Amino acid sequence: QQQVKQSPQSLIVQKGGISIINCAYENTAFDYFPWYQQFPGKGPALLIAIRPDVSEKKEGRFTISFNKSAKQFSLHIMDSQPGDSATYFCAASMRGYQKVTFGTGTKLQVIP
Amino acid sequence: NAGVTQTPKFQVLKTGQSMTLQCAQDMNHNSMYWYRQDPGMGLRLIYYSASEGTTDKGEVPNGYNVSRLNKREFSLRLESAAPSQTSVYFCASGFRPNTGELFFGEGSRLTVL
Repeated sequence: QQQVKQSPQSLIVQKGGISIINCAYENTAFDYFPWYQQFPGKGPALLIAIRPDVSEKKEGRFTISFNKSAKQFSLHIMDSQPGDSATYFCAASMRGYQKVTFGTGTKLQVIP
Repeated sequence: NAGVTQTPKFQVLKTGQSMTLQCAQDMNHNSMYWYRQDPGMGLRLIYYSASEGTTDKGEVPNGYNVSRLNKREFSLRLESAAPSQTSVYFCASGFRPNTGELFFGEGSRLTVL
């Protein structure tokens, strides 16, 4: 059972466009929702995170939108660049258990 | 600064062989983790250690054993490798509760023939 569902599996966006990745979760005990970015041959690294009492968080071209009632959250990458080409994972964590549960990942390709 | 170091980076095994993946961190983190990454499956937690001297099962522990050797080192052992264990394995350490941040190594690619 996938506790964090992520879509799409792959995404191709033209340079300058908006990339959108969506996630949904079931367990209301999750209390933080990080996004990770992974380049080929590397381990994932934290990109941006949001807590459930905040509806939106923006860092540069990256924005997380959070809908607590729908148990959904999404990552928007504005003005997408070829350097953004990577695999993105949404995730959810419970601080009491010190664990992070990941989505299935989205492979983003930004074409010039 | 090394961060999280995994060895080996690549390994090919035959079915039934055993091996140990090593992980060491130099960030003085209490918690350490082993994940596996498979296409379409994302990152799945195999085992984790919240602190030195403790280990707990994750989502997919069958076929694996772990040892928290000391605060720095956390190893993952495959006693009798199976083709289904072909994967990329990631060790991670640390857990920041205010973000859900973990610090990952660069991975170990294992192929079981």
